[in-house]
Amino acid sequence: DAGITQSPRHKVTETGTPVTLRCHQTENHRYMYWYRQDPGHGLRLIHYSYGVKDTDKGEVSDGYSVSRSKTEDFLLTLESATSSQTSVYFCAHRGGQSGELFFGEGSRLTVL
Amino acid sequence: AQSVTQPDIHITVSEGASLELRCNYSYGATPYLFWYVQSPGQGLQLLLKYFSGDTLVQGIKGFEAEFKRSQSSFNLRKPSVHWSDAAEYFCAVGASSGGGADGLTFGKGTHLIIQP
Repeated sequence: DAGITQSPRHKVTETGTPVTLRCHQTENHRYMYWYRQDPGHGLRLIHYSYGVKDTDKGEVSDGYSVSRSKTEDFLLTLESATSSQTSVYFCAHRGGQSGELFFGEGSRLTVL
Repeated sequence: AQSVTQPDIHITVSEGASLELRCNYSYGATPYLFWYVQSPGQGLQLLLKYFSGDTLVQGIKGFEAEFKRSQSSFNLRKPSVHWSDAAEYFCAVGASSGGGADGLTFGKGTHLIIQP
C-alpha cells in the first residue's frame, strides 16, 4: 500500500469539459508525480511537485496543469479534455534516497 | 536525458521455466535502475532496485536483476516462473544527480504470458 488515494477511480467525460483528478496522501511525502499510461507507451511523466506550490513539467505536460496548495493533495487538471487524453492516470510519491516511486491504484479517464 | 528500451513487447514462457526480461538504458552517469510489475487493473509494484554496490540485486517474489555497465543493461531474471507471474513488467531509470527528484523514465513494458 503506497498510502496514496486517487479519486475518482473512473470517469467518463465529454470533449471540452474540465476534469480534475485528485491524489491524496497522509504520510507527508514531499515529492509527488502524475504519470499517464497508454498501451505501447508505458508510463510518461506529466508533472511533478517537490513541495507545496512547487511544481514542474514532465515529458507530456501540454494540456495539463497541476496544483499543490497543501502537502496532502496534488491535483491534476485538464482544462478542456480531448479524446487524446483518454488514459489511465497514476499518482506516485517518492520514497527512499534512490528515487523509487510508489504508485496509487490509478484513475481511468475516458473522454468521448 | 535518460531513456529505457525494453526490446520485447511480449514474452511467452512455460510455467516452471526460467525467465529473462531485457532492459537497456541510456544515461550519462551511474543510474538508479528499477523493475516494476503491474497486474491487470492494478497499480505498479516495485520488484527491485539498483543504485550502488553489488551489481546483482535481489527483489521480491524470487526475482533478481543484474546491472551491467558495459552493456547498459539491467535484465530481470527468475529461475522458475509461476502462473501468478503473468503481468506487465516495466524497467525504469532515474537520474542519480539530484537523487532522482524529477521522477523516473519508464520503458514501454514487456507483457509476460505464462503457458501451463
